[in-house]
Amino acid sequence: GDSVTQMEGPVTLSEEAFLTINCTYTATGYPSLFWYVQYPGEGLQLLLKATKADDKGSNKGFEATYRKETTSFHLEKGSVQVSDSAVYFCALTYSSASKIIFGSGTRLSIRP
Amino acid sequence: DAGVIQSPRHEVTEMGQEVTLRCKPISGHDYLFWYRQTMMRGLELLIYFNNNVPIDDSGMPEDRFSAKMPNASFSTLKIQPSEPRDSAVYFCASSPYPGTPGSPLHFGNGTRLTVT
Repeated sequence: GDSVTQMEGPVTLSEEAFLTINCTYTATGYPSLFWYVQYPGEGLQLLLKATKADDKGSNKGFEATYRKETTSFHLEKGSVQVSDSAVYFCALTYSSASKIIFGSGTRLSIRP
Repeated sequence: DAGVIQSPRHEVTEMGQEVTLRCKPISGHDYLFWYRQTMMRGLELLIYFNNNVPIDDSGMPEDRFSAKMPNASFSTLKIQPSEPRDSAVYFCASSPYPGTPGSPLHFGNGTRLTVT
């Protein structure tokens, strides 16, 4: 079946470090891919998305590129801040489906 | 846009009591989802509705859980009787049409349930 696999956390980095959170997926069709972020005490909110192969989603300095050949959607940021500390979820959905498949989440902690 | 509104934010109850969680989706969103989040199992889909009709409740853990959506602006998730293992954060989310490419879910801030 369809699934999303994220790198296990927690990930701890120093401020201004480069961030990569890996996400790979298995899908029988052509899904849309998402990254959601969950700050402490809040619900998930959309961070960025991509709807087709080679699309790059970007927001708040974060980027992810839809790679069909490697079935990946890795999240990157060039210089993280303490305020980026949160849990990050990779997810996919199909154009004909009514459900979203979430990864298990990766907790990110940034040290000042 | 007020976003998805959940109440209460926190609920503490004793084992055996009935618990009702409430959700108001974003106006115009035809899909409503209930999720449960725990450290052990992560984010689990419990049930979702389309136009107030339950479409898939296969994630509801057992008969103690029930969900209703009497109209387009209100949904409840009820646990009766509650047990300590139900302790979790429960999220409601809505979407205009999650099948549209790139259409995300909009989440509420959740209800943290503690059953003692």
